[in-house]
Amino acid sequence: GAVVSQHPSRVICKSGTSVKIECRSLDFQATTMFWYRQFPKQSLMLMATSNEGSKATYEQGVEKDKFLINHASLTLSTLTVTSAHPEDSSFYICSASPLGGDGETQYFGPGTRLLVL
Amino acid sequence: TQLLEQSPQFLSIQEGENLTVYCNSSSVFSSLQWYRQEPGEGPVLLVTVVTGGEVKKLKRLTFQFGDARKDSSLHITAAQPGDTGLYLCAGPVGGSQGNLIFGKGTKLSVKP
Repeated sequence: GAVVSQHPSRVICKSGTSVKIECRSLDFQATTMFWYRQFPKQSLMLMATSNEGSKATYEQGVEKDKFLINHASLTLSTLTVTSAHPEDSSFYICSASPLGGDGETQYFGPGTRLLVL
Repeated sequence: TQLLEQSPQFLSIQEGENLTVYCNSSSVFSSLQWYRQEPGEGPVLLVTVVTGGEVKKLKRLTFQFGDARKDSSLHITAAQPGDTGLYLCAGPVGGSQGNLIFGKGTKLSVKP
């Protein structure tokens, strides 16, 4: 149980285009979903926290107009990287916190590798 | 600002050796979590320690939470190549809705 999927697993796009990444909790409902990015050989950095039906909370330094988050249901959150640039190339990972859980446990997706040319 | 410092950053050992990796902070955490991440994959939760002084075992892995809940260690006995990966510790940020902060990780390589 507690499986989180991400789609696509990897994407290559041209500079200036937008890319949408989906995060789904497959066998549970998620109160909250989190989006992280991870640069090579570095740890995970939280970008934003999203709750179903409300606006995402962004961490300091993360542009909300560039990284659009939509949390349409208790099992789906999407991250759209708008007008992507090469410096946005990274590994994007989502996680989900189960509804009715302890509020601290998160289950992570397998990540999406984004390469912007 | 709560920070988690992990050491060592890199560790390369032979199969069968024992090792310990550390996760330290100057702040108190209500709990700490350990994850293992393989290249190109998301982190997988290994264990959560909650009580100061707590010891949890997961097969050849032993996790300990410091008495003051500011540090934790992961000890692996008789390491195997399958233990290779990035070991991350993480803790909840006080007052936030389940937000976690992560250490930078220990990259472990176990050679056969």
